Amino acid sequence: DSGVTQTPKHLITATGQRVTLRCSPRSGDLSVYWYQQSLDQGLQFLIQYYNGEERAKGNILERFSAQQFPDLHSELNLSSLELGDSALYFCASSVGARSSYNEQFFGPGTRLTVL
Amino acid sequence: AQKITQTQPGMFVQEKEAVTLDCTYDTSDPSYGLFWYKQPSSGEMIFLIYQGSYDQQNATEGRYSLNFQKARKSANLVISASQLGDSAMYFCAMSFTGGGNKLTFGTGTQLKVEL
Repeated sequence: DSGVTQTPKHLITATGQRVTLRCSPRSGDLSVYWYQQSLDQGLQFLIQYYNGEERAKGNILERFSAQQFPDLHSELNLSSLELGDSALYFCASSVGARSSYNEQFFGPGTRLTVL
Repeated sequence: AQKITQTQPGMFVQEKEAVTLDCTYDTSDPSYGLFWYKQPSSGEMIFLIYQGSYDQQNATEGRYSLNFQKARKSANLVISASQLGDSAMYFCAMSFTGGGNKLTFGTGTQLKVEL
């Protein structure tokens, strides 16, 4: 158990809908990262927050948004869902944000299926 | 841009034998970190080992060791005395200080340990 929690574990929804994925980092970790794992794109970095502020952005679609709240939990919002958004979404957390060594602890992931 | 290459889509190894999983990387950043993660069929991402770009010695963690050859830009994972439970997907990843510590992943190597 990494200490990072993600809910829900599975999510099935229809095209055009909007969903929210939730992540609670390990106690003491200030950074939260979101990754998407799909068959065709592999594991891709989406976005990083550090202590409530956006720190880095990757290949995140405009239909997707995220935030980190004062209690450090984070939410990833996916809207106008398409079939291609079906993927495993991971949240990871680390203590810091700038050192090249910040071991990232991954949550169990949320498997999103868009029908 | 940072890039991680894993050229072995699948590998087989006999139980109790050692196996090497290849990883090469490309970056112009002098400060970076190299990571290996294991993803079993259950889906979670498990951190295995880390190597910093300035580390003089190769990293080791139990049965895992990282063969770091900086000039060749390679960071191969060596698993000694393979066990059936080592059967999983293995990902090489890189972070760098200038990138907000996001991880860039390779495409992975599926390892199957046989009796």
